[in-house]
Order: sequence, then structure tokens, then C-alpha cells
Amino acid sequence: DTGVSQNPRHKITKRGQNVTFRCDPISEHNRLYWYRQTLGQGPEFLTYFQNEAQLEKSRLLSDRFSAERPKGSFSTLEIQRTEQGDSAMYLCASSEGTASLGGYTFGSGTRLTVV
Amino acid sequence: DQQVKQNSPSLSVQEGRISILNCDYTNSMFDYFLWYKKYPAEGPTFLISISSIKDKNEDGRFTVFLNKSAKHLSLHIVPSQPGDSAVYFCAASEVSSYDKVIFGPGTSLSVIP
Repeated sequence: DTGVSQNPRHKITKRGQNVTFRCDPISEHNRLYWYRQTLGQGPEFLTYFQNEAQLEKSRLLSDRFSAERPKGSFSTLEIQRTEQGDSAMYLCASSEGTASLGGYTFGSGTRLTVV
Repeated sequence: DQQVKQNSPSLSVQEGRISILNCDYTNSMFDYFLWYKKYPAEGPTFLISISSIKDKNEDGRFTVFLNKSAKHLSLHIVPSQPGDSAVYFCAASEVSSYDKVIFGPGTSLSVIP
């Protein structure tokens, strides 16, 4: 197992375009999380899944954001009509049980730049 | 409003000395605390954690201390090594929502050889 994999590593898009990121968690992990990190800040919680069910969404996740985890495996995060304020590092993480018991395993992130 | 605060954006320590990274929190419902380390171009890596029922947890060179009454925790690294140079995030979660971990802004540690 190579850990949590995120693709692409970098994405540059024009304002108003849609983008989609993919996360492949560690195979035996049933929980998957999306976080966003901007410069000088810690990761901010966006949403998480237990298997295929999306259990919690942050108010940061506006209507332009949607996340899916079909069949409880990989997950996608889509941002529609991107804005310059969406520029950030988008981090995916997974865990086998409750995150607090052993921490998350993070991927290396997808860096989004909206121009 | 930031619930997890790390008031020192950066810290420099000589190799072999102790590094102390501090963290304060405001949410009295937090009862599980974690530290993560992040190298450039990588995702954060879990380092050590502590439950609110404890006041100390140790793992090798890393020790986390929790003072619940002061809503303060600290991470001690002894002895510090150049490979410890990274950004350290303090994080916390509530018993009602263990899967939603709240991170602080991070402290950048530089260990000078």
C-alpha cells in the first residue's frame, strides 16, 4: 500500500471553470476526509465520509463544492465556477476508525491555483 | 474565531537542546488532542496524541503535556535533531465529533546544527 494518493498534485485553472480532484485512501480505511489549507493556516475541515456515506459537511463547503465517495473507495471533490478565493491546498486523509484514536493519514495534497 | 491557537509562528533551537512548542485552545468541549508534523510538499504526519484524562504522554523523544485547567498543551522534543525541522500543528477534537479534527495555524521549527 502506498498510502493516501491524491491527483493531480497541481492544478491551475481560470476563474469560472470547474475542477475535480481525486483521492485514493488506504484500502482498509473506511473513513475519508477532505481538508483545505491556505498559506499560514492549518488544515480546515471540509467534509468526511464513513464508507460511502457523507456524514458531516463544514459551512466552508459552499454550494459550489461537492464531494462523493461512490462504493466507499476513492473520493472526488468538485469545485464549480471556481473563484480566486478557492486557491489553496486541498488535502485528503483517511483513517481506519475514529480519527482521534490514531490520527489521520494524509495525502500530499492537490494545490489549486485559480487565475 | 480560532479554537486552536499556536501563538508562535516560528521557533529556532540548537541541535541537541529541547524544543517546546505551545498550543492553547478555547473550546472546553475538546477532549482529545493531537500533534502533526509537516514537511514541505508533503501532507501532515501524525506525531503523538493525548486524551483529556491524561496530563502527559510520551513517545521516544516526543512528550505532550496537557493542562486542562489552563486549556494549554505543549510538545517537547528532546533532544532536537535537524530532521525535526518542520511545521508542527496542534489539533483537537470534541467527544461528540471525534472525526472532525480542528487544527491550529502551526509553528515552524528550525533545528540548527
